[in-house]
Amino acid sequence: EPEVTQTPSHQVTQMGQEVILRCVPISNHLYFYWYRQILGQKVEFLVSFYNNEISEKSEIFDDQFSVERPDGSNFTLKIRSTKLEDSAMYFCASSRDRGITYEQYFGPGTRLTVT
Amino acid sequence: TQLLEQSPQFLSIQEGENLTVYCNSSSVFSSLQWYRQEPGEGPVLLVTVVTGGEVKKLKRLTFQFGDARKDSSLHITAAQPGDTGLYLCAGEGRCNFNKFYFGSGTKLNVKP
Repeated sequence: EPEVTQTPSHQVTQMGQEVILRCVPISNHLYFYWYRQILGQKVEFLVSFYNNEISEKSEIFDDQFSVERPDGSNFTLKIRSTKLEDSAMYFCASSRDRGITYEQYFGPGTRLTVT
Repeated sequence: TQLLEQSPQFLSIQEGENLTVYCNSSSVFSSLQWYRQEPGEGPVLLVTVVTGGEVKKLKRLTFQFGDARKDSSLHITAAQPGDTGLYLCAGEGRCNFNKFYFGSGTKLNVKP
């Protein structure tokens, strides 16, 4: 069964460093998403991406963040200068369609620890 | 921001009991999804509801979308220990398609 994969599973970085989180969405999917979940808190939407551009973004997704689909398979989230409060689980998700047939599949997540 | 409130936050019941989890908002959503999340893993989609008043069944789970598309419920019949987990609802923005708002979840524990 096709699945969304994410690497690395755990990333430790120092405050102020740049990190890139990688995702490989399901191959025939068209919509891509990043979410984060701070330990013990709710899942928060960061950004959606369709047709090679950002579709929607949340207030959290400021200039510190960027997304890219550098080739036909990868979808990346870059955090330019990490802060302690960026420590969280980051989930990538993808879906093929919207509406009635909508199904969003999540990856296993990358745990980011900023020290 | 469109907020989704889930209740109860925690629920501990005996095997065989029925339960209902609620997801409420003052905002209208284009669609609403229910997920189940295990510790340390990503949410797994259970169902999507799109039409006001829609009811969907998945074995012992029944999902309903409110007529006004502002709320939803998940009813589990004859709960089993395998149903234990965190249940999340998520709504797709009415004006912001492809933007999703998650509830804080209901942690269900079914005791054998």
